[in-house]
Amino acid sequence: DAGVIQSPRHEVTEMGQEVTLRCKPISGHNSLFWYRQTMMRGLELLIYFNNNVPIDDSGMPEDRFSAKMPNASFSTLKIQPSEPRDSAVYFCASSPGQQNTEAFFGQGTRLTVV
Amino acid sequence: SQKIEQNSEALNIQEGKTATLTCNYTNYSPAYLQWYRQDPGRGPVFLLLIRENEKEKRKERLKVTFDTTLKQSLFHITASQPADSATYLCALERGYQKVTFGTGTKLQVIP
Repeated sequence: DAGVIQSPRHEVTEMGQEVTLRCKPISGHNSLFWYRQTMMRGLELLIYFNNNVPIDDSGMPEDRFSAKMPNASFSTLKIQPSEPRDSAVYFCASSPGQQNTEAFFGQGTRLTVV
Repeated sequence: SQKIEQNSEALNIQEGKTATLTCNYTNYSPAYLQWYRQDPGRGPVFLLLIRENEKEKRKERLKVTFDTTLKQSLFHITASQPADSATYLCALERGYQKVTFGTGTKLQVIP
């Protein structure tokens, strides 16, 4: 397996534009997580899904952020409209679930909003 | 609210020595704690998990302890090598499948 795949690796966009980040989890994993990492706040959990269903979105900062998981092999994180303070590295991670809680992270998407 | 503290300052040690990193937490009693390694420009990589009923866990040159009374975990790398240089993150369980990460400690192993 190629691991968790995220795209794009880098994204530069202008303030006010819509940004969509994509993630393909490891096949067979039941849980998917979206994290945001900044120097100031470290790694923050935004939302996580279990069996394609959003379980906890309490970490989503504002209504400008939304996430979907239409099937077991694909998830998106959308920011609309984007703001400079959204600049960060966004990670997607997946986990087998049940008793195995090890999370496998993707390479991340570095987002810069200018 | 739950707070996780890792030494924010970088830890520099000589090659061959044992590196010890600390993770302290408050306001919670996690069922387990994890340690991850993160290299620049990459996602975190899982290293070890220790449960609340375990005092110590080992994996090759790595050792993790978990003191639920002190609310502290120690992460040791014995016989450290320059390749061990990275940022190490601790993560605490906050419910089913959910963890909170510390801000990490940067380790630099000097040849």
